[in-house]
Amino acid sequence: RKEVEQDPGPFNVPEGATVAFNCTYSNSASQSFFWYRQDCRKEPKLLMSVYSSGNEDGRFTAQLNRASQYISLLIRDSKLSDSATYLCAVARLGFQKLVFGTGTRLLVSP
Amino acid sequence: EAQVTQNPRYLITVTGKKLTVTCSQNMNHEYMSWYRQDPGLGLRQIYYSMNVEVTDKGDVPEGYKVSRKEKRNFPLILESPSPNQTSLYFCASSSRMKRGTNYGYTFGSGTRLTVV
Repeated sequence: RKEVEQDPGPFNVPEGATVAFNCTYSNSASQSFFWYRQDCRKEPKLLMSVYSSGNEDGRFTAQLNRASQYISLLIRDSKLSDSATYLCAVARLGFQKLVFGTGTRLLVSP
Repeated sequence: EAQVTQNPRYLITVTGKKLTVTCSQNMNHEYMSWYRQDPGLGLRQIYYSMNVEVTDKGDVPEGYKVSRKEKRNFPLILESPSPNQTSLYFCASSSRMKRGTNYGYTFGSGTRLTVV
């Protein structure tokens, strides 16, 4: 079983839709959680850190469920520019060992 | 501008010819890391460093070396490259985590390496 798992998608949604991604992790000792966005052939860019209390940044909301060992990302009012691959990342044994999922591809169409 | 700079961006080399990919950050970050990204396998950590002269293996360190002689630089060395090291490589850096705050890694633009 992979340490961090994501549905690869693609998720095809129309503009304005709400879309949610989940990411599960297997190591219960995991300490830090992140969502990254990656455009084709470009570097991953940090979208948001995920905290136990949940956090929101504009149209993006991230949640952590430690009991079920998953993190989620909700995107409201999808824009064409949201089309990208979304990577979740989980840190174990200290932040510097950051493990990534393989990503979920999102395609937003007009 | 705060950034992580990798060079070269593209490299084609032959099997066995030693090469170095440079990485430099101007943010005074303690943590630095190297990842490779392959289709279907995602990003996998090669090596990481917590500070000057402190490095450790990630999940796929075989065939790679690193050094951290200065805080800003973290070169990746392939002593004898092989075709299975053909990949997209990313360097990343981050501040040390402070209580209650996770900064996350900032990534360089990537180096696309082809070994023939």
